[in-house]
Amino acid sequence: DIQMTQSPSSLSASVGDRVTITCRASQYINNYLCWYQQKPGKAPKLLIYAASILESGVPSRFSGSGSGTDFTLTISSLQPEDFATYYCQQSYTTWTFGQGTRVEIK
Amino acid sequence: EVQLVESGGGLVKPGGSLRLSCAVSGFTFSRYTMNWVRQAPGKGLEWVSSISDSSTYMYYADSVKGRFTISRDNARKSLYLQMNSLRAEDTAMYYCARDLDYGDYGENFDSWGQGTLVTVSS
Repeated sequence: DIQMTQSPSSLSASVGDRVTITCRASQYINNYLCWYQQKPGKAPKLLIYAASILESGVPSRFSGSGSGTDFTLTISSLQPEDFATYYCQQSYTTWTFGQGTRVEIK
Repeated sequence: EVQLVESGGGLVKPGGSLRLSCAVSGFTFSRYTMNWVRQAPGKGLEWVSSISDSSTYMYYADSVKGRFTISRDNARKSLYLQMNSLRAEDTAMYYCARDLDYGDYGENFDSWGQGTLVTVSS
């Protein structure tokens, strides 16, 4: 099974900060990588698929990059509504989520 | 508007059974692979099971293989998860999610229900 490892597990940041979250796959997954945002008590929301394609309606401050085994989610200027937990997910072989990265207010 | 509504969760004793349902609307259900994803209290997301559009292919996480069975009724626009031999570690919010296959761009879960809570406890 493919394992997905996110780092960091949590981070504290201020409004306006640039935030970067990384996700590493235990084996090659091409660009079959998605990012989701989840707020407390809510279902996850798709942000990015195919590693770098922004889902319709998602603000352009979110971006994704990477291919193969190493991927990055970047929030260029953190907004109050972005404080949440972020998950990566691979779809190369069935589906696996990373353990999540909690973005908290500094 | 795409909608997915889960039901069937509740409190069950270890070793017991439960059947979850997910009723969908707003899209052509029979054209999509569907999934169950769960989230234990305070924990991360775990993919549980997947079923192809015509029920030809079904996949399970190792943690539930042999105990859970996924199924669907395209005429009723409904997805199901039969859960047997339940354990305390199956306690979680269970979400159904639509699978979008972009071919060379992989797949993603673009629409989710709000979840149904399953608690396994004596």
